[in-house]
Amino acid sequence: EVQLVQSGAEVKKPGESLKISCKGSGYSFTSYWIGWVRQMPGKGLEWMGIIYPGDSDTRYSPSFQGQVTISADKSISTAYLQWSSLKASDTAMYYCARNPSWGPLDYWGQGTLVTVSS
Amino acid sequence: EIVMTQSPATLSVSPGERATLSCRASQSVSSNLAWYQQKPGQAPRLLIYGASTRATGIPARFSGSGSGTEFTLTISSLQSEDFAVYYCQQYNNWPLWTFGQGTKVEIK
Repeated sequence: EVQLVQSGAEVKKPGESLKISCKGSGYSFTSYWIGWVRQMPGKGLEWMGIIYPGDSDTRYSPSFQGQVTISADKSISTAYLQWSSLKASDTAMYYCARNPSWGPLDYWGQGTLVTVSS
Repeated sequence: EIVMTQSPATLSVSPGERATLSCRASQSVSSNLAWYQQKPGQAPRLLIYGASTRATGIPARFSGSGSGTEFTLTISSLQSEDFAVYYCQQYNNWPLWTFGQGTKVEIK
C-alpha cells in the first residue's frame, strides 16, 4: 500500500527555522517525484515545487522560489520542506504528494499544519 | 503561468441530483487535467486524471470530460459523501502545475 506520512503539527515564532518531513512507503521512493502543496486557512491549493528523490532534481514554483527549500534523503525515503526564517504568512497546511512523471498527484500525505505566531 | 478558473464557486445540489462543475484553462493543457476532492479536515484525493480517467477506487458516478481549455466534472447522482470541495489541476506545463480555486458542492 502506497503511503506518505508527514511529520506532526508545528507552532513556531516569526524568524524561526523549520523543516517538515514526508516519508514514503509501499513503492519505489526513488522512482517518483514528490510535490509540495500549500493550503492557507480557508483557501485553495497552491503548488510549491517538486523533487525527484532519485537524483534530487528540484524545481520550484516562481511564487515559492527562494522562500523555501525542498530536499530529500533517499536512504530513508523521506522528502523535506524547510524554511530558514518563518513569517506569519507561512501559517498553512502543507501537503506532500506523489507525482508520477506522467501526470497528477496520485497519493497524498495527511498534511502538516504550520502555525507561525508571536 | 497557466490560470485555471473554476465555476461556479458554490453549487447547491440535492442528494440524488446531478452536479456539473466546470474548469477552464487560460491556454491549452491538452488532456493533462486532473480533478481532486477535498473534504473538511482531509487531504485532497485524486478522482480523475487525463481529463476523463477515473482513479483507482473512484465510483462510476464521477466522470470527466473535455480537452484543450474546457473541462467538466459530472457527478451523476450525488451521495451524502460527495459534498466537498473539488479542485481541477493542470499538469501540462511542466513543472509549473496550477490549481483552480475550487468549487464547493453543498447540500441544497
